[in-house]
Amino acid sequence: DQQVKQNSPSLSVQEGRISILNCDYTNSMFDYFLWYKKYPAEGPTFLISISSIKDKNEDGRFTVFLNKSAKHLSLHIVPSQPGDSAVYFCAASDWGGGATNKLIFGTGTLLAVQP
Amino acid sequence: DGGITQSPKYLFRKEGQNVTLSCEQNLNHDAMYWYRQDPGQGLRLIYYSQIVNDFQKGDIAEGYSVSREKKESFPLTVTSAQKNPTAFYLCATSQGDYGYTFGSGTRLTVV
Repeated sequence: DQQVKQNSPSLSVQEGRISILNCDYTNSMFDYFLWYKKYPAEGPTFLISISSIKDKNEDGRFTVFLNKSAKHLSLHIVPSQPGDSAVYFCAASDWGGGATNKLIFGTGTLLAVQP
Repeated sequence: DGGITQSPKYLFRKEGQNVTLSCEQNLNHDAMYWYRQDPGQGLRLIYYSQIVNDFQKGDIAEGYSVSREKKESFPLTVTSAQKNPTAFYLCATSQGDYGYTFGSGTRLTVV
């Protein structure tokens, strides 16, 4: 049972345009969501997160939107740059107020930004 | 410089052999995790430990074993019972609600 789903295995966009990566989840107890970026043969690096009490969080070119009623979140990258080309993982957890909990990861989306 | 060290970066194992992957951290984080990455399957949790001398099975623990004798170290043993061990293995740590910090991974190949 895949609790976190990224239905698009890959996405290709032109440099300078917007990249939109999507993620759906099924567990209504999830209250903390994160996006990680991963290059081949390296560990994922944290990109941006959002708590369920918010519907938007922004950090530079990266914005995450959360729609709790639809159990859907998305990552927007504007403008996209060739260095953004990587696999992006969505992750979710029921942190429950700061307790250490395990993250559930999606299957990832490979983003290719064309120069 | 705080971080997570996974070694070796590449590991080859003959069928029927046990092999141990190392994960060491100097971040003073309480929790440590082992994930496995396969193409098209994302990151799947093998084992995790929230405190020393305690660990829990993740979603795909069969054929693996771990120990947590000290806070800094969380080695993963891939046993001969693991039917398909070829994968990229990632160790991670966390402290509170600050998300995970990942190591650079170990690529295990069965020959």
